[in-house]
Amino acid sequence: EAQVTQNPRYLITVTGKKLTVTCSQNMNHEYMSWYRQDPGLGLRQIYYSMNVEVTDKGDVPEGYKVSRKEKRNFPLILESPSPNQTSLYFCASRPRSAGVAVPGELFFGEGSRLTVL
Amino acid sequence: GNSVTQMEGPVTLSEEAFLTINCTYTATGYPSLFWYVQYPGEGLQLLLKATKADDKGSNKGFEATYRKETTSFHLEKGSVQVSDSAVYFCALSGLETTSGTYKYIFGTGTRLKVLA
Repeated sequence: EAQVTQNPRYLITVTGKKLTVTCSQNMNHEYMSWYRQDPGLGLRQIYYSMNVEVTDKGDVPEGYKVSRKEKRNFPLILESPSPNQTSLYFCASRPRSAGVAVPGELFFGEGSRLTVL
Repeated sequence: GNSVTQMEGPVTLSEEAFLTINCTYTATGYPSLFWYVQYPGEGLQLLLKATKADDKGSNKGFEATYRKETTSFHLEKGSVQVSDSAVYFCALSGLETTSGTYKYIFGTGTRLKVLA
């Protein structure tokens, strides 16, 4: 089954304790992205990756790191979490768009709810 | 830059009522438009899409028409069911002129609650 898998789904941690949220997709997609969802703000992009070893900042990258060493995996790293990073996080992927075609559908994971105390 | 504005919720309807969720956008060029649905405890999934002006996307009884003249992509359903209770996101995929790259922009989401 084609899917995007995130782990953990739920996590409660304390300020300053490094954590990693993993994301893996089995659809051979080039593009992967991380979003956070907060009430009243919708989805905001944190980082994205166009392909292996190619990553770039989204709209709210502060306090986050990512890496793309393999095509299927795109982990989100919080080196020193703070309470303002309490949020619902989504990983998404899609195939590379052909030529000048507008990118199509994003495929989302089920989300990771993070609470930082 | 590009943007999406959708009506705030929550929207509460009785079963079999008519649904409209408004969505308007601002974009340069010719973006693609999408509606995503998020059921409780799940990720977003594509509900429908339209890639050019006057296209109508449809799925599961939901419809939306890409109106370039009014820059709108309103979501409609003629008769909602309890199982339609979810959060609905309008989104566009378009060219950001400042960066020269394509980007997804999401609206803030509209929560729909359907009562039996």
